[in-house]
Amino acid sequence: GDSVTQMEGPVTLSEEAFLTINCTYTATGYPSLFWYVQYPGEGLQLLLKATKADDKGSNKGFEATYRKETTSFHLEKGSVQVSDSAVYFCALSRPETSYDKVIFGPGTSLSVIP
Amino acid sequence: DTGVSQDPRHKITKRGQNVTFRCDPISEHNRLYWYRQTLGQGPEFLTYFQNEAQLEKSRLLSDRFSAERPKGSFSTLEIQRTEQGDSAMYLCASSLWESTNYGYTFGSGTRLTVV
Repeated sequence: GDSVTQMEGPVTLSEEAFLTINCTYTATGYPSLFWYVQYPGEGLQLLLKATKADDKGSNKGFEATYRKETTSFHLEKGSVQVSDSAVYFCALSRPETSYDKVIFGPGTSLSVIP
Repeated sequence: DTGVSQDPRHKITKRGQNVTFRCDPISEHNRLYWYRQTLGQGPEFLTYFQNEAQLEKSRLLSDRFSAERPKGSFSTLEIQRTEQGDSAMYLCASSLWESTNYGYTFGSGTRLTVV
C-alpha cells in the first residue's frame, strides 16, 4: 500500500542554518505530495505541495521538488528561524483514484535555537 | 469563515465511558475527514464523508467507533466503551472534493485521555 517515510528526528539547528528533511514515498500511479507543519499546540497546516513530477512547491522560504525517479520530496530551507520550530509531516494523496485520502509520514520534529 | 472547528479541545474520560466529538468544517467544503494522531506519530486516517455519505472507513475504526454527518455539514465521532488505547488527538479536516490534491484544512483537534 501507499506509504511515506521521513528522516527521524528530532532535528536541532542553530538559527540561520540550512535545513533538509528527507522524505521518500511508495505509491502507485501519480500521487500528489505535500508538506504539512504543526506548530506547538496547533493543528496541521499545509506548507507546500506539488502535484506532478519535477514540480517545485514553495512557501515561506521552504521548498521541495517532486522527484519521481527517486520517489522523493525533500524539504529544504536556506536559513531557518526560531519560529520554524515545529513538527513537519510529509504526505501524499492519489486524487486520480477514489482513495484520495491523504497519507502522512511519522513527522520530523525541528528545534531551532538562537 | 473561521476555519475548521472542533469541540471539545480536551476530554478526559474514564475507561468504559462513551465520548462524542464534534467537527464543524469550512462551510463550502463537501469533504470531511477524521484522523487520529498519537504522540510522536503522523495522523492516521479513520474515515471520510462526501456530503452526508460516509465513503470509506479504515480498519482502525473498530465497531466501537461511529461517525456521522447527517446533513452534510457538521460531523460527530463517537467512541463507545472507551479503552486506554483510544487516548490520542482526534483531528478533523475538510476540503472541496474537486481540489483534494490542494490539501486539507485541519482543525486544532480534540485531545482524548482515557484514565
